[in-house]
Amino acid sequence: AQRVTQPEKLLSVFKGAPVELKCNYSYSGSPELFWYVQYSRQRLQLLLRHISRESIKGFTADLNKGETSFHLKKPFAQEEDSAMYYCALRRYNNNDMRFGAGTRLTVKP
Amino acid sequence: KAGVTQTPRYLIKTRGQQVTLSCSPISGHRSVSWYQQTPGQGLQFLFEYFSETQRNKGNFPGRFSGRQFSNSRSEMNVSTLELGDSALYLCASSPEGRSGANVLTFGAGSRLTVL
Repeated sequence: AQRVTQPEKLLSVFKGAPVELKCNYSYSGSPELFWYVQYSRQRLQLLLRHISRESIKGFTADLNKGETSFHLKKPFAQEEDSAMYYCALRRYNNNDMRFGAGTRLTVKP
Repeated sequence: KAGVTQTPRYLIKTRGQQVTLSCSPISGHRSVSWYQQTPGQGLQFLFEYFSETQRNKGNFPGRFSGRQFSNSRSEMNVSTLELGDSALYLCASSPEGRSGANVLTFGAGSRLTVL
């Protein structure tokens, strides 16, 4: 079975500082990895996915199959990045998506 | 394009009762997934429906059930409610079945409080 671990429940950084939200997974097959974000009073929404290899709102994430990680990074955090971030894994060719426990990021001014 | 619509948004029940929650996916989306979100457990996968068939199931007791109609709308039912069932129930839809390009679009959720 697939499993997603986000070791940090809370993460606090100052505006302009780099931020890294950690995500590790366990799955024996080919995973699809995602980051979802939930801003205050908003719906859970997709931030980015590994197959797109894109940068969204300055965030990037690289799938490291050797370390089974999909850490989310941003070089310069902004106050509007404060939100709850969830890492998620979906088995290839399957719509069963599993989420990590989430990391609450707070960017202080 | 309307988003994923969940009703009711809020409801209060007492232990032992049952509840039915509804989800209308984005037009054209055929897959509907349900999640339970709680502060302690985070987002837990309940089940996924595609073309009126349950295709995936999480690790929840049989009190939790669901179904999908021919128009892709879905309902989930929880019978014999327990205090621990208090949670935000999220529905998410995606366009096609198993394509790697699919992403989930979430509704606002139905917040259930069990007294």
